[in-house]
Amino acid sequence: DTGVSQDPRHKITKRGQNVTFRCDPISEHNRLYWYRQTLGQGPEFLTYFQNEAQLEKSRLLSDRFSAERPKGSFSTLEIQRTEQGDSAMYLCASSQGGGRLSYEQYFGPGTRLTVT
Amino acid sequence: TQLLEQSPQFLSIQEGENLTVYCNSSSVFSSLQWYRQEPGEGPVLLVTVVTGGEVKKLKRLTFQFGDARKDSSLHITAAQTGDTGLYLCAGANYKLSFGAGTTVTVRA
Repeated sequence: DTGVSQDPRHKITKRGQNVTFRCDPISEHNRLYWYRQTLGQGPEFLTYFQNEAQLEKSRLLSDRFSAERPKGSFSTLEIQRTEQGDSAMYLCASSQGGGRLSYEQYFGPGTRLTVT
Repeated sequence: TQLLEQSPQFLSIQEGENLTVYCNSSSVFSSLQWYRQEPGEGPVLLVTVVTGGEVKKLKRLTFQFGDARKDSSLHITAAQTGDTGLYLCAGANYKLSFGAGTTVTVRA
């Protein structure tokens, strides 16, 4: 299967701890996106990369959040000093760059974060 | 705050019935996408509509994009229990702006 993969699928952490999530996009896709989804809501955009360049960050992405895509392949999302409000599903998506195909994003299964 | 409004929020129907879900926006997007999401999983892309007035059919699912490219609808004919899920519309301008979704339950 060559779809988007995310690891871990579930993470339970105590408030104040740091967590890191990984996303492996579809191999030929050069754009990678992170979204956050809370219960009863649709996903909300956090940030996106074209190759290794981070091109936009939402105001939802506080200073405690950092995302990287060092070689333009996989990406990591780190949350420092987690808070209970960070509890959510973190979704990664990828797409091909350029033209109409760039709008078609394919999502991974998500990482469910629970902060206790 | 969701930029796209979806209605209804919840829909419960009997197997074999038809249903329609609506998606409305005050903004114009380059394209609009429909996804279905099951609990604990990521959204799965169903269709992308690009042209105002466009109609796309995928088996029992019919998608329409409004002439002004601000609204869309998803119609399911003869719903099956496997159609149960959260249906999300998303406007695309490189990033996706999602509605809150419509939870569809198809009862056997």
